[in-house]
Amino acid sequence: RKEVEQDPGPFNVPEGATVAFNCTYSNSASQSFFWYRQDCRKEPKLLMSVYSSGNEDGRFTAQLNRASQYISLLIRDSKLSDSATYLCVVNYGQNFVFGPGTRLSVLP
Amino acid sequence: EAGVAQSPRYKIIEKRQSVAFWCNPISGHATLYWYQQILGQGPKLLIQFQNNGVVDDSQLPKDRFSAERLKGVDSTLKIQPAKLEDSAVYLCASSSLHNEQFFGPGTRLTVL
Repeated sequence: RKEVEQDPGPFNVPEGATVAFNCTYSNSASQSFFWYRQDCRKEPKLLMSVYSSGNEDGRFTAQLNRASQYISLLIRDSKLSDSATYLCVVNYGQNFVFGPGTRLSVLP
Repeated sequence: EAGVAQSPRYKIIEKRQSVAFWCNPISGHATLYWYQQILGQGPKLLIQFQNNGVVDDSQLPKDRFSAERLKGVDSTLKIQPAKLEDSAVYLCASSSLHNEQFFGPGTRLTVL
């Protein structure tokens, strides 16, 4: 089993839609969790950290379920500019492990 | 604030040749990472430095890859000799301890 797995995608959704991405991790000692966004041929950039209580930043909501070793990212009211690859990142100790990413295309 | 700098941005070489990449992290960031990202995959950590010491190099193919961070600032990653499967984007990132990683623009390597 891979350390971090994500929905394979791609997700093609119309503007205004709500879309959710899932991520599972295998190491129960994982301590912190992040969602990064990567545009085509660009470097990854931090979208948001994921806290145990769940957190929201505008149209983006991240949730963590430690018991199920599962992280989610919800995007509401999708914009064309949300089209990108979303990378789930899990940290334990000094190790950061990236998932393979889920590609999102928001269509006009 | 200046970001993570990398050079070159693009490199094309033939298999069995050598290549080196350079990274200058954000000033004051103690931790520096080198990742390999193959098309369609997430970044894979090759090596992580804390100041000038290696924290994790478990996924670095040490028969052909080497990296150093002399003086705990700039870093170089070398491949010698290159193989076709080394074609990828090599990303450098830096962070202050356990905080957000900031990535450079990457070096796109093509091995022919």
